Amino acid sequence: TQLLEQSPQFLSIQEGENLTVYCNSSSVFSSLQWYRQEPGEGPVLLVTVVTGGEVKKLKRLTFQFGDARKDSSLHITAAQPGDTGLYLCAGGSDSWGKLQFGAGTQVVVTP
Amino acid sequence: DTEVTQTPKHLVMGMTNKKSLKCEQHMGHRAMYWYKQKAKKPPELMFVYSYEKLSINESVPSRFSPECPNSSLLNLHLHALQPEDSALYLCASSRTGGGNYGYTFGSGTRLTVV
Repeated sequence: TQLLEQSPQFLSIQEGENLTVYCNSSSVFSSLQWYRQEPGEGPVLLVTVVTGGEVKKLKRLTFQFGDARKDSSLHITAAQPGDTGLYLCAGGSDSWGKLQFGAGTQVVVTP
Repeated sequence: DTEVTQTPKHLVMGMTNKKSLKCEQHMGHRAMYWYKQKAKKPPELMFVYSYEKLSINESVPSRFSPECPNSSLLNLHLHALQPEDSALYLCASSRTGGGNYGYTFGSGTRLTVV
């Protein structure tokens, strides 16, 4: 079983600060996805990255896929309370029929 | 339509009851999934259907029985559940299986077994 490790597990910051969440594995993935989940709701897909070294930006969120396709990061600039949630990374493989989820990072942004 | 719709949103059932969870999508996705999620944990895969056929069963107890009547519908039949089965049950779909396409999740069914 391929393991995706997310860090940190919990992050509490003030509005306006920046934050970075990491997702690491010893295995290669064909794609890496990031989701955000709010309490009582299902995860919502933020981005899918498939090319090593790829960088995608979504407003204040920047996603990067490592050159070797084993790791990824999510950076949020000038965090807002609406960014609060559980951030999940998930890796896909051509040889599987499923995603491997990381354990998640709980982000709390206080006004 | 870019949504996965799950019903009911909340369900309380006794350990001797039989109930079903329903999931529907009209995005033309050919892979559908059932996940179980406990509080503050990531979703755990239960079943994968690909082109209406069961392709993955993650060693789920037989008291959970999935069904895919057609490409848009996915059911999860529940029977003789235990209190530890209480959780958020999530349905998801994707264009095809394999994990290379993003998943669209429903809002989930909050199940409580008493």
